[in-house]
Amino acid sequence: EAGVAQSPRYKIIEKRQSVAFWCNPISGHATLYWYQQILGQGPKLLIQFQNNGVVDDSQLPKDRFSAERLKGVDSTLKIQPAKLEDSAVYLCASSLGRISDTQYFGPGTRLTVL
Amino acid sequence: AQKITQTQPGMFVQEKEAVTLDCTYDTSDQSYGLFWYKQPSSGEMIFLIYQGSYDEQNATEGRYSLNFQKARKSANLVISASQLGDSAMYFCAMREDTGRRALTFGSGTRLQVQP
Repeated sequence: EAGVAQSPRYKIIEKRQSVAFWCNPISGHATLYWYQQILGQGPKLLIQFQNNGVVDDSQLPKDRFSAERLKGVDSTLKIQPAKLEDSAVYLCASSLGRISDTQYFGPGTRLTVL
Repeated sequence: AQKITQTQPGMFVQEKEAVTLDCTYDTSDQSYGLFWYKQPSSGEMIFLIYQGSYDEQNATEGRYSLNFQKARKSANLVISASQLGDSAMYFCAMREDTGRRALTFGSGTRLQVQP
């Protein structure tokens, strides 16, 4: 079974530019998560989808970050405009959506904002 | 609000020895799950082991076991017979089973296995 796919793996941009990350979850997984992991810290949730609806986006900086999950499968996370403090690894995870299930993570996208 | 605390920023262990990574948590929920993930230098978060709050027995997965002490709110990871490939960051995480079910992570412990 294929795991969670993410692209690109690495991205370097200058501040005020825009960037987009793509995630393809494990087939059949209803719930999709985007986490931000700043160097030296544990991941922190940005947004959670159940199928194509948003469950929790309370920690998403909505003035610059946006995310969508069209058709309940792939998801895109966008940052516009990027700030220096957005430099981090962006991790996508998916799960079946049941109470006791496990989240499986993709390889992440490492973003550097100069 | 839920919180995970990992007090060991770094740990060293000799190859083939056992090591315990500490994790304490705080939650007001009665139903929750505790997870351990491994993050090698490549960056991917690899699921290791899960313990449900109502599970009476400690979880085990191969060389990994979770020492769950509910009254103390601790969920320590024990790695037996350490291997060089175990060198990585290890994160403890919790998910409350009511409300949003995203994971809350600790700050991690860097484990280095020495030959």
